[in-house]
Amino acid sequence: QQQVKQSPQSLIVQKGGISIINCAYENTAFDYFPWYQQFPGKGPALLIAIRPDVSEKKEGRFTISFNKSAKQFSLHIMDSQPGDSATYFCAAVFGAQKLVFGQGTRLTINP
Amino acid sequence: NAGVMQNPRHLVRRRGQEARLRCSPMKGHSHVYWYRQLPEEGLKFMVYLQKENIIDESGMPKERFSAEFPKEGPSILRIQQVVRGDSAAYFCASSPSGRVEQYFGPGTRLTVT
Repeated sequence: QQQVKQSPQSLIVQKGGISIINCAYENTAFDYFPWYQQFPGKGPALLIAIRPDVSEKKEGRFTISFNKSAKQFSLHIMDSQPGDSATYFCAAVFGAQKLVFGQGTRLTINP
Repeated sequence: NAGVMQNPRHLVRRRGQEARLRCSPMKGHSHVYWYRQLPEEGLKFMVYLQKENIIDESGMPKERFSAEFPKEGPSILRIQQVVRGDSAAYFCASSPSGRVEQYFGPGTRLTVT
C-alpha cells in the first residue's frame, strides 16, 4: 500500500514534443504529490506538486494532472527542450512524513 | 539563502570502517529526512528527525546504521562497519515546521572498497 508505481522507465521525445510520465498509488491517505527532477550527480529538485483536491496544476511548461478516483497522476512537459533531459521522480506523502518515490523515468529530449 | 548542505560530497571507505555523513538543513527548517539511492534506482526513505528526536526510523537497517539531529550542529548519518552493499548516494532533505515540501541537498556518494 506504500508503493508508488511510475512509468515508463525511460522516454525519448523530440524537441518541441510533449513528454508524459505516469504514476499510480494505492494508499488513499496520501495527501501531497510532488514531482522531482534530478540531473546526473545532483540532488532531486522539487519541480511541481499537487494536492488531491485539485485536478490539474500548471507551472510554465509543466502540468500535473490528477485523477483521484483512479488514484493516478501524471506529469506533462509541454514544448520539451534538451535541457529537460533528466530523471523524473513522482512521489507521495501523508502529512509531514516520509516521501514514497516512484522508480523514476529517464527522459531524453532529442534536438 | 543557502540550500541544504551535505558533506562530504564523496566518501571512500574500506570494508569495516565507519562512515559519517553530515547534513545542514536550510535556514529555518527543523525537519530532516535521510534517503538512500542505489545505482539506477529510486530513492528510499531511511529516517525522519526533528531536533533531538527521531520521529520515524522505519527505513533504517536495524544494525550498523544510526542517525541524530542534535540541538546544535548538523544532522549526522552514521554507518558502522561498512560493507560493499552500503555503496550508494545518500541524500538529506529538510522542510520547515508545518509544511510538507522537502528540499534536497546534493548528496554524499559513498563508495565502499
